[in-house]
Amino acid sequence: DGGITQSPKYLFRKEGQNVTLSCEQNLNHDAMYWYRQDPGQGLRLIYYSQIVNDFQKGDIAEGYSVSREKKESFPLTVTSAQKNPTAFYLCASSKGQINQDTQYFGPGTRLTVL
Amino acid sequence: DAKTTQPPSMDCAEGRAANLPCNHSTISGNEYVYWYRQIHSQGPQYIIHGLKNNETNEMASLIITEDRKSSTLILPHATLRDTAVYYCIVRRSYNTNAGKSTFGDGTTLTVKP
Repeated sequence: DGGITQSPKYLFRKEGQNVTLSCEQNLNHDAMYWYRQDPGQGLRLIYYSQIVNDFQKGDIAEGYSVSREKKESFPLTVTSAQKNPTAFYLCASSKGQINQDTQYFGPGTRLTVL
Repeated sequence: DAKTTQPPSMDCAEGRAANLPCNHSTISGNEYVYWYRQIHSQGPQYIIHGLKNNETNEMASLIITEDRKSSTLILPHATLRDTAVYYCIVRRSYNTNAGKSTFGDGTTLTVKP
């Protein structure tokens, strides 16, 4: 089955620790995205990548880092510099082509920092 | 990218049509209107998108006004499983800034028996 996988579904970390969230897609999509969602709110863009080895900051990139070494993978690291890391994190991908840029989302990772 | 305005919540009776409005008065000529929905604690699901013509697929219909400043998502026969948060966003056709599309708080649609 083609799709986007995020692991794990739930993640717990102690304050001050860095944590890396996984996102993998087998849709052959060029573009990938990370969003953060807080309770009762919409999605906010953290980082996005339109091609391998390139990525751009979104609206709330501070305290986060990403890499895009492979087309299929776009891991997100939540660093200790992120002041309020507890949230629901969503990864998405799209073809990144004119008229074909629908985003498809993974199931999300719920991060809780204790 | 243009921002959108949606009512925070709506109710609909099961079996009736649900009409969800969205205002995007600052939309530019190369921006598409996309609709997604999110069921609690899941990733958003794509529903439909359009540029200026009305669109229909197996899930819904999208009606875009002639001036493109607003649109309506229509779920023709709402079921209890359509209860979700519905997001309307505007998004450029692919270019260097295409990644930056803004999801507002959406409309919480509650379908009631």
